[in-house]
Amino acid sequence: EDKVVQSPLSLVVHEGDTVTLNCSYEVTNFRSLLWYKQEKKAPTFLFMLTSSGIEKKSGRLSSILDKKELFSILNITATQTGDSAVYLCAVNSGGSNYKLTFGKGTLLTVNP
Amino acid sequence: EAGVTQSPTHLIKTRGQQATLRCSPISGHTSVYWYQQALGLGLQFLLWYDEGEERNRGNFPPRFSGRQFPNYSSELNVNALELEDSALYLCASSSRQVRTNEKLFFGSGTQLSVL
Repeated sequence: EDKVVQSPLSLVVHEGDTVTLNCSYEVTNFRSLLWYKQEKKAPTFLFMLTSSGIEKKSGRLSSILDKKELFSILNITATQTGDSAVYLCAVNSGGSNYKLTFGKGTLLTVNP
Repeated sequence: EAGVTQSPTHLIKTRGQQATLRCSPISGHTSVYWYQQALGLGLQFLLWYDEGEERNRGNFPPRFSGRQFPNYSSELNVNALELEDSALYLCASSSRQVRTNEKLFFGSGTQLSVL
């Protein structure tokens, strides 16, 4: 069965800190890895990674994938209180039977 | 452009009853996905519909079922509700070209409480 494991499960930091969120996976037929941010209810898309070693960047957020070691990290620099959310990692592994397998998420709390 | 919309926002039922949840995808999207997000368990894949057909199903009992209508909106039905069905049910949609556009766009969910 496909498995996606995120760590840590929760994290509390102060504004301005840098955080690294981890996602490891064991899936058959890997296609892509996605990161989402869930603030209230609707997860919103952050990044999609398909190739190893290529960093995706958007402002203070960046992510990289290691397909050999089967993990990804999401970095957030100079954190702000608005970054407080659950960050979800998901892996697309379904081939023609497309589906996303999600990890349990990392709850990030940024205190002022 | 409207996003994925779900109704109702909240739903309270008692054990043994049936619940019906509704989802309208983003205009132009033909695929609809249903996920269950129970406390502490993360998002669990329930069902995938595309072009009116059920394409894939997660590890849930048959009392979880659904359908997709010709306008691509979708309904999730949960029969014989159990207490552990209490969760946030999220619907997501994606465009026709699933193989090249793998991003899902989520709605705000229906919070189902079973008493």
